[in-house]
Amino acid sequence: SQTIHQWPATLVQPVGSPLSLECTVEGTSNPNLYWYRQAAGRGLQLLFYSIGIDQISSEVPQNLSASRPQDRQFILSSKKLLLSDSGFYLCAWSRGGSGANVLTFGAGSRLTVL
Amino acid sequence: SQQGEEDPQALSIQEGENATMNCSYKTSINNLQWYRQNSGRGLVHLILIRSNEREKHSGRLRVTLDTSKKSSSLLITASRAADTASYFCATAAAFESGGYQKVTFGTGTKLQVIP
Repeated sequence: SQTIHQWPATLVQPVGSPLSLECTVEGTSNPNLYWYRQAAGRGLQLLFYSIGIDQISSEVPQNLSASRPQDRQFILSSKKLLLSDSGFYLCAWSRGGSGANVLTFGAGSRLTVL
Repeated sequence: SQQGEEDPQALSIQEGENATMNCSYKTSINNLQWYRQNSGRGLVHLILIRSNEREKHSGRLRVTLDTSKKSSSLLITASRAADTASYFCATAAAFESGGYQKVTFGTGTKLQVIP
């Protein structure tokens, strides 16, 4: 069966510090991978999606970047965090191809920038 | 950008009552999905309805889709305290780069079921 792991679960970082959130998927190959951000009490904003290694698209201009060093690994990074980067970050995967794209989410990473 | 808007934003009902949540969206879709999120957790997929379907059932869940009005509803029958969560609709449409589907979420309805 497929599983998705996301870490760290919580993170408190000072403004200007770097960020690295990691997500890995097991039990499938060539998944579509996604990073979403959820502000408090709000919906999910799609940040990045990837349909393969070296195929990453950004949905909104921002202070963040994403990389996919391996087929089932997706990393969200920042060189210098801003206060506005605080939020709940969710990684998700779906089966590759043009199918129905049901997402399976990780448990989330709560980032507080002080 | 947000594709869907849920209505109401918050809903409080007694256990045993039915809960209805609505979702409106803006662009053409391939399918519409509903997800549930317990506080501080990841989202869990509940049900998917394709653009050529009008109604779908899964257990106590009933979803309708009206593509002419660009709207969907989620009905939870005989609600339980354990149904307390936030519910999100999500629309799937082709990526701008073509081919694969992008899933965009609405703002969610926070449901409280009082025992």
